[in-house]
Amino acid sequence: ETGVTQTPRHLVMGMTNKKSLKCEQHLGHNAMYWYKQSAKKPLELMFVYNFKEQTENNSVPSRFSPECPNSSHLFLHLHTLQPEDSALYLCASSQQGDNEQFFGPGTRLTVL
Amino acid sequence: SQKIEQNSEALNIQEGKTATLTCNYTNYSPAYLQWYRQDPGRGPVFLLLIRENEKEKRKERLKVTFDTTLKQSLFHITASQPADSATYLCATILTGGGNKLTFGTGTQLKVEL
Repeated sequence: ETGVTQTPRHLVMGMTNKKSLKCEQHLGHNAMYWYKQSAKKPLELMFVYNFKEQTENNSVPSRFSPECPNSSHLFLHLHTLQPEDSALYLCASSQQGDNEQFFGPGTRLTVL
Repeated sequence: SQKIEQNSEALNIQEGKTATLTCNYTNYSPAYLQWYRQDPGRGPVFLLLIRENEKEKRKERLKVTFDTTLKQSLFHITASQPADSATYLCATILTGGGNKLTFGTGTQLKVEL
């Protein structure tokens, strides 16, 4: 285990649903990240939070809405998604200034 | 534009042989490169980091090299085992990237008995 947990591990949702992904890190890190991983494509960084403040939004559509209530928890709120949003969503954390990132197991999202 | 690229074709090798994976970068000079391992349905796991002033780094059966002339990092697994089968990703921070890692597409390695 890497010290980063994600729930749920699998999620199937319709295009009109609203759901949330949760990430929790137990490593005392101060930076957290959301990545999207689609088949045959590199990991795509979506959002970066440093010390609970969003410091990066990598041109992500507004149907994805992140929330970081404290340095240990990160959420990704989903609404009116499209089938092309189906992917593995990975959360990671790091200590700002360190290079190594610790990843959670991911949430496999399927949008019908 | 700045790019980091890996061979997208899978690499199949026989148990006991050395596996060598390649990561190439273009249009910039990274301060370091990282290597991660990813198993199906799981998140990447950090393996090694090599800095631009280091030619080589080792960890158990793993070895990473960094050639700034060729703009390339090689990742070697010696005495490979079936348990080494996974996808291996290289990553770095592009110029002006802060703490944003950019990943290659990864190379799938399969070690056969």
